[in-house]
Amino acid sequence: GAVVSQHPSRVICKSGTSVKIECRSLDFQATTMFWYRQFPKKSLMLMATSNEGSKATYEQGVEKDKFLINHASLTLSTLTVTSAHPEDSSFYICSARTGQGGYSPLHFGNGTRLTVT
Amino acid sequence: DQQVKQNSPSLSVQEGRISILNCDYTNSMFDYFLWYKKYPAEGPTFLISISSIKDKNEDGRFTVFLNKSAKHLSLHIVPSQPGDSAVYFCAATFQGAQKLVFGQGTRLTINP
Repeated sequence: GAVVSQHPSRVICKSGTSVKIECRSLDFQATTMFWYRQFPKKSLMLMATSNEGSKATYEQGVEKDKFLINHASLTLSTLTVTSAHPEDSSFYICSARTGQGGYSPLHFGNGTRLTVT
Repeated sequence: DQQVKQNSPSLSVQEGRISILNCDYTNSMFDYFLWYKKYPAEGPTFLISISSIKDKNEDGRFTVFLNKSAKHLSLHIVPSQPGDSAVYFCAATFQGAQKLVFGQGTRLTINP
C-alpha cells in the first residue's frame, strides 16, 4: 500500500537554529503534499500545500518565510523551520494523496516532534 | 471558525461494546467525509470514508453514518477492542478541493 515516510521522527534544536524535515512518498508519485501541525489536544491544522515544481500555497496566518517548503521532486517535499523559537515546538505531519482531487484519502507520515530549547 | 467539530474530547467504552464517535460540520459544500485514527507520536491512519450521496458505509467493524440534513456524521465501532484505543479525527472536503478540514479529535479508550 501507499506509504509516506517522514524524517526525522524527533528533533531537538536550540533557539535560533533551523531544522529541516523531509517527507517522501515511497511507492507513488505525489504532485501535491500537505504539511500539517498539531498542537497539544488540538486538531490537525493545515499549514501549507506543497506543489511539485512550483511555490507552496500557505494557509492564512502561516509565515512563509519562517516555514520554507521545497517540493523538488515527485517523491520529496521538505519543510524547513527557520530561526526556530520555543513556540515552534510542535508535532509536524506531512501527507500526500495517491489519487487526484479531494476524493482519495490522504496518507500521512508518522510525524516529527520538534522541540526548540 | 471551526467548520468540523467533534464535541466530545474523550470517550470510554467497555471492550466488546459499541463505540460511537460523533462529528458535526457547518459547511454545506462538504460532500466527502473521512475518519482517521491516530496513535501517539504517529501520523493519522485512514479508516473509512463516505460520500454525500450515501448515508451509510460499512467496512468490517467500522460503519460511518451520514445525516446531511443535520450536518452530522458518526463512526460506529462494534465490537470495540483494546487496540481501538486511539484518537479519532473526522475530516471533510468537497469536490475540487485538495485539502481536508479536520475536527479536534476524540480520544477513545477501550476498557477491558
